[in-house]
Amino acid sequence: DQQVKQNSPSLSVQEGRISILNCDYTNSMFDYFLWYKKYPAEGPTFLISISSIKDKNEDGRFTVFLNKSAKHLSLHIVPSQPGDSAVYFCAASARSQAGTALIFGKGTTLSVSS
Amino acid sequence: GAGVSQSPSNKVTEKGKDVELRCDPISGHTALYWYRQSLGQGLEFLIYFQGNSAPDKSGLPSDRFSAERTGGSVSTLTIQRTQQEDSAVYLCASSLSGGRGGEKLFFGSGTQLSVL
Repeated sequence: DQQVKQNSPSLSVQEGRISILNCDYTNSMFDYFLWYKKYPAEGPTFLISISSIKDKNEDGRFTVFLNKSAKHLSLHIVPSQPGDSAVYFCAASARSQAGTALIFGKGTTLSVSS
Repeated sequence: GAGVSQSPSNKVTEKGKDVELRCDPISGHTALYWYRQSLGQGLEFLIYFQGNSAPDKSGLPSDRFSAERTGGSVSTLTIQRTQQEDSAVYLCASSLSGGRGGEKLFFGSGTQLSVL
């Protein structure tokens, strides 16, 4: 029973174009969402987050959009660069429930070709 | 330390043996988490330590798995009588407080466990 779903296991994009990675969640108690990026043989690193009181958060080339009614969030990378090639994990937590751990999706492998 | 340190980076063991995986969190971080990533799967939550509170063990897949955190710092994940399905990358993460969930986690590079 996956609470956080990333239905696309992979995505291929050309350098300079937009990458859109999608994530769906089922638990309505989730109120904080994060994206992590993982290179091979390394641990995941934090990329960007969004609280449920917002519908958009932007940081440089990265923007996360949250649609609470649809229980859907997306990560936009524009312009995409070859160095963005990695596995991207969506994660969610219920901050109102103290002491709960992040729940991660299965990840989407992004490949950016030059 | 500068980051979360895990050892060993790779561990190959025979089915039925016990293994211990170690995690040194970032100094000052009170919350420590263990996750694992099996082939083709996401990050599966295993266990969470927060300060002196009782750990959240809800993610441990069986009673063969246990973890300790000594002195509020170093943690050891122990897997007894390993099975082939235990093969995965075991990731440790720490965060500054974690008291309300959703804290930004800092991950180590993981231990690749292979059970033959």
